[in-house]
Amino acid sequence: DQQVKQNSPSLSVQEGRISILNCDYTNSMFDYFLWYKKYPAEGPTFLISISSIKDKNEDGRFTVFLNKSAKHLSLHIVPSQPGDSAVYFCAASAGNTGKLIFGQGTTLQVKP
Amino acid sequence: GAGVSQSPRYKVAKRGQDVALRCDPISGHVSLFWYQQALGQGPEFLTYFQNEAQLDKSGLPSDRFFAERPEGSVSTLKIQRTQQEDSAVYLCASSFVGNEQFFGPGTRLTVL
Repeated sequence: DQQVKQNSPSLSVQEGRISILNCDYTNSMFDYFLWYKKYPAEGPTFLISISSIKDKNEDGRFTVFLNKSAKHLSLHIVPSQPGDSAVYFCAASAGNTGKLIFGQGTTLQVKP
Repeated sequence: GAGVSQSPRYKVAKRGQDVALRCDPISGHVSLFWYQQALGQGPEFLTYFQNEAQLDKSGLPSDRFFAERPEGSVSTLKIQRTQQEDSAVYLCASSFVGNEQFFGPGTRLTVL
């Protein structure tokens, strides 16, 4: 039972354009959502998060949108840069346990 | 260093051997998590400590897996009688408060 799903295994965009990565979840108890970025042979690096009481959080080039009724969140990267090429994981947690449930990841390639 | 460190970075074990994986969290971080990441998948939760107390071990796949954090700092994940399906990257993460977790680089375990 995959509670967090990233249905696009890969995404390719041109440098300077917008990258949109999507994530769906099924558990209505999730109240905190995070995006992590992962380079090969490294651990995931925290990018941005959002609480369920908000519908948008912005940090520089990165914006996360949350649609609770649709149980959907997305990460927008504008403008995309070649250094953004990595695997992006969506994660969710419920309550204060801190236990994260991850999606399968989306590989983003930003072409120069 | 200021980040989470894990050792060894790579471990090759023969089937049936016992292995021990070490995690040094960020100093002062109360919470410590272990995750297992299979190839092409997102990390999956194994277990969680708050200081020295193991509060959740629901993700440990079998009784061959054992984790400890006796002094509330360094943690060890032990796998007894390793099997081929244990081959994965084992990630450790720590956090101070909230849900933002900082990950180490992982230990890649290969069981032959």
